[in-house]
Amino acid sequence: AQSVTQLDSQVPVFEEAPVELRCNYSSSVSVYLFWYVQYPNQGLQLLLKYLSGSTLVKGINGFEAEFNKSQTSFHLRKPSVHISDTAEYFCAVTGGSYIPTFGRGTSLIVHP
Amino acid sequence: EAQVTQNPRYLITVTGKKLTVTCSQNMNHEYMSWYRQDPGLGLRQIYYSMNVEVTDKGDVPEGYKVSRKEKRNFPLILESPSPNQTSLYFCASSPRPHADTQYFGPGTRLTVL
Repeated sequence: AQSVTQLDSQVPVFEEAPVELRCNYSSSVSVYLFWYVQYPNQGLQLLLKYLSGSTLVKGINGFEAEFNKSQTSFHLRKPSVHISDTAEYFCAVTGGSYIPTFGRGTSLIVHP
Repeated sequence: EAQVTQNPRYLITVTGKKLTVTCSQNMNHEYMSWYRQDPGLGLRQIYYSMNVEVTDKGDVPEGYKVSRKEKRNFPLILESPSPNQTSLYFCASSPRPHADTQYFGPGTRLTVL
């Protein structure tokens, strides 16, 4: 079985400040890891993914994430956020099952 | 434009009245799936399909049916909707189920009274 824990349900931050959204997973097999973003009234779109290789993954809109196998984490970071980054962010894992597991989401709120 | 479309986007219905939410993708993807999104619970997979005529249950299949008669279409059927099926529903597709990006539709907000 696999699971995903997003440790923060809401993260408020000021514009141009750095941000980290935390994601921990558990799985008995090798995993693929994803971060998706959901803007208000829209579907989810991929930010970045880790399949193999370099543990530092760069995605769209200046986001990056680091896969840490020993800590079973895949935290999402951005060095300087913008108002337009306000959205819901979901971490997801796929492994031996065809059923991906999504975290409960983290609401990033960027204040001016 | 590559996309996943869903219809309707919004639906209010009453308990027991059968309904279908359509999903269509134009990317020739083999894998399609349905999710429901509920506050504080994230996304949970309802059903998925590996290819035409191949469907299987996800985490929360009770009360739902699906069919995959054509590669591009994957409708979600609620034969007797109940209030606990009030939710936001997303259809998604991808070339492969594991390692590939999933492409999501815009969502269907369903209210069952």
